[in-house]
Amino acid sequence: EAQVTQNPRYLITVTGKKLTVTCSQNMNHEYMSWYRQDPGLGLRQIYYSMNVEVTDKGDVPEGYKVSRKEKRNFPLILESPSPNQTSLYFCASSLSGAGLADQETQYFGPGTRLLVL
Amino acid sequence: AQSVTQLDSQVPVFEEAPVELRCNYSSSVSVYLFWYVQYPNQGLQLLLKYLSGSTLVKGINGFEAEFNKSQTSFHLRKPSVHISDTAEYFCAVTYGAGNQFYFGTGTSLTVIP
Repeated sequence: EAQVTQNPRYLITVTGKKLTVTCSQNMNHEYMSWYRQDPGLGLRQIYYSMNVEVTDKGDVPEGYKVSRKEKRNFPLILESPSPNQTSLYFCASSLSGAGLADQETQYFGPGTRLLVL
Repeated sequence: AQSVTQLDSQVPVFEEAPVELRCNYSSSVSVYLFWYVQYPNQGLQLLLKYLSGSTLVKGINGFEAEFNKSQTSFHLRKPSVHISDTAEYFCAVTYGAGNQFYFGTGTSLTVIP
């Protein structure tokens, strides 16, 4: 089954304690991306990756890091989390770009709900 | 900055009535538009997308949207809604090479029996 998995699904942490949210896809997709969803703000793109070792900033990259060492994995790293990073995070993947081919779609993971105290 | 505006944050509608969810975007030479649906406690699912060609795009679950370049709009419509359509709907846009995505703030559609 084609899917994007995220772990953990729920996380409560404290300010300053480094954490990593993992994202993995089994569709051999080149493009992967991270978003955060906040009430009243919709989804905002944090980082995206066009392929292995190729990453770039989205709209709200401050406070986050990513890496793309393997095609299937795209972890999101919060080196020193702060309360304003409390949010719902989604990872997504597509074959190329943002799903611009006619039959292509961007697949979203189930989300990771993060609370930073 | 590129942006997407969804003017209606909440839209209540009776079952079997028609609905339109509005979306406006920042104009650009090459623009690609999407509508996603998010059911409670789930990720996003693509409803439909406009890449080029016909301005009327048909998607899943009976939804359709019309790309209007002069009004920079991409409104989502369904002629008869069902209870199961209750969800959050997001309009999104990407420009040029399609690497960066911009989402609207979402419209919560509630279908009333």
